[in-house]
Amino acid sequence: GNSVTQMEGPVTLSEEAFLTINCTYTATGYPSLFWYVQYPGEGLQLLLKATKADDKGSNKGFEATYRKETTSFHLEKGSVQVSDSAVYFCALSGGAGSYQLTFGKGTKLSVIP
Amino acid sequence: EAGVVQSPRYKIIEKKQPVAFWCNPISGHNTLYWYLQNLGQGPELLIRYENEEAVDDSQLPKDRFSAERLKGVDSTLKIQPAELGDSAVYLCASSLSGSEYNEQFFGPGTRLTVL
Repeated sequence: GNSVTQMEGPVTLSEEAFLTINCTYTATGYPSLFWYVQYPGEGLQLLLKATKADDKGSNKGFEATYRKETTSFHLEKGSVQVSDSAVYFCALSGGAGSYQLTFGKGTKLSVIP
Repeated sequence: EAGVVQSPRYKIIEKKQPVAFWCNPISGHNTLYWYLQNLGQGPELLIRYENEEAVDDSQLPKDRFSAERLKGVDSTLKIQPAELGDSAVYLCASSLSGSEYNEQFFGPGTRLTVL
């Protein structure tokens, strides 16, 4: 079945540091890949997505590239801000006709001034 | 535009008691999802509705969990009786359709504590 593995947290960075959160997946067929973000006290929000190999999703300074050869979708940001503190979830859907979202365990990011 | 609304936000009950969660999806969204999120884990799908029809309930523990989506709009998820292991956050999400390309919009969740 489908599965998502992402780096465990928590991750603590200083403001303006470079962020990478690793995500790898196992899926049948050609899934779509997503990063969701959950700010404290709020619901999950879609951060970015990519629907086919070599696509790059981007939003709010975050980027992730769909790498089929390494089955990865790592999240990056060049300069984090305190307001980026949240839990980040990598997820996939589709592949073999499944619309179900399969999530990783989440990575908690704390950015300190 | 209002987002996905869930109530209550928090619920504390004794084990063996019944509990119900309510979800109002975004207007016009045909597909509604209920997810279970255990502490430190990602959400896991419990059930998916296309309008009023439950099209994927394979991961819903049917001995104690039930759900309904009358008239294809609001939905209720019920647990009866609740067990200690049911303590978790219950998330509702909606999308325009069940396509993998349609973004799912999540509500804030209901945090259930079973004592």
